[in-house]
Amino acid sequence: AQSVTQLDSQVPVFEEAPVELRCNYSSSVSVYLFWYVQYPNQGLQLLLKYLSGSTLVKGINGFEAEFNKSQTSFHLRKPSVHISDTAEYFCAVIPFTGGGNKLTFGTGTQLKVEL
Amino acid sequence: DGGITQSPKYLFRKEGQNVTLSCEQNLNHDAMYWYRQDPGQGLRLIYYSQIVNDFQKGDIAEGYSVSREKKESFPLTVTSAQKNPTAFYLCASWDRGSANYGYTFGSGTRLTVV
Repeated sequence: AQSVTQLDSQVPVFEEAPVELRCNYSSSVSVYLFWYVQYPNQGLQLLLKYLSGSTLVKGINGFEAEFNKSQTSFHLRKPSVHISDTAEYFCAVIPFTGGGNKLTFGTGTQLKVEL
Repeated sequence: DGGITQSPKYLFRKEGQNVTLSCEQNLNHDAMYWYRQDPGQGLRLIYYSQIVNDFQKGDIAEGYSVSREKKESFPLTVTSAQKNPTAFYLCASWDRGSANYGYTFGSGTRLTVV
């Protein structure tokens, strides 16, 4: 089984400041990793994903994440945030094989960008 | 454009009623999923289906039922046995294709018990 921990439930940050949203996971098998963003009353939109290759992954809207296998982490970063980045962010994992290809989510981090 | 359509966007249910949430996809994806979202709890899997006429329970299936008679459709029924159905429900489908590996989500249905 897999589990995902997002320790920060809320992260306030000023506009144009950098931000890091933390994600740690636990799994007995290898996993693929994802970050999704959710705006109020909407579905989830894929920000980026790590499947293989370079551990630094670039996504949409200027976000990037780094996969660290030894620390089982996949932290999301943006060097300069904008008001429009205010949303909830979810980290998720899916096992390489088997398990019904089920995504396991963290509990989410609410990013609030202030002027 | 291909995607997932969930309807209705808002749904109100009286105590003791069954209600059905619709999920339709035109992405030709084999697998489909239903998640429930509550504040501070992330998304929890209710049911999933990897192929037509087959589905499996997720982590919180009690009080819910599904069917998968067509590849494109995966409706979720919230029965009267679900004691706390007020939540945001998200449907997703899964693409194993190398370029698009991952889930596609619908825009959700917000169910409220009145």
